[in-house]
Amino acid sequence: DQQVKQNSPSLSVQEGRISILNCDYTNSMFDYFLWYKKYPAEGPTFLISISSIKDKNEDGRFTVFLNKSAKHLSLHIVPSQPGDSAVYFCAASVGSSNTGKLIFGQGTTLQVKP
Amino acid sequence: KAGVTQTPRYLIKTRGQQVTLSCSPISGHRSVSWYQQTPGQGLQFLFEYFSETQRNKGNFPGRFSGRQFSNSRSEMNVSTLELGDSALYLCASSPQATDTQYFGPGTRLTVL
Repeated sequence: DQQVKQNSPSLSVQEGRISILNCDYTNSMFDYFLWYKKYPAEGPTFLISISSIKDKNEDGRFTVFLNKSAKHLSLHIVPSQPGDSAVYFCAASVGSSNTGKLIFGQGTTLQVKP
Repeated sequence: KAGVTQTPRYLIKTRGQQVTLSCSPISGHRSVSWYQQTPGQGLQFLFEYFSETQRNKGNFPGRFSGRQFSNSRSEMNVSTLELGDSALYLCASSPQATDTQYFGPGTRLTVL
């Protein structure tokens, strides 16, 4: 049972435009969500997180939106840059005090074209 | 600070053998988690250790085991290897179990 789902395996956008990566979850116990970026031959790198008490969190070009009623979150990258091309993973945990156990989605490969 | 290091980076084994992978967390980090990444299943949680105690365990068979030492270094062991165990094994560490995890580059295990 896939508790965290990223239904789009890939996304291609033009440099300078917005990239929107989506993630859905089924477990209503999840209340802390994170996005990681992964380049080939490297481990995932933390990007941004959001607690369920918020519906938006921003960090520079990255914004994460959380819609608890829809059990949906999205990552917006504005403007997109070629260096953003990577695999993006959505992850969830039950409580921010339990981030040692993350449940990941399948990942979305983002390609940003110059 | 040095990042999370994992050894070896690449490993080739045959079915039935066992393997031990090592992870050295970032200095000062006490929580270490392990994940398996495969093309079909994505990133799946294996287990988490904090101060030498297993805090959480994922849904993997008993062939997968781990431990953490007093210096926070961790090892995971897979016995009686199967072809399906071929994967990238990632280790992540954090200062406490409540903090953001930082991942190592992984160990690529190939089972022939």
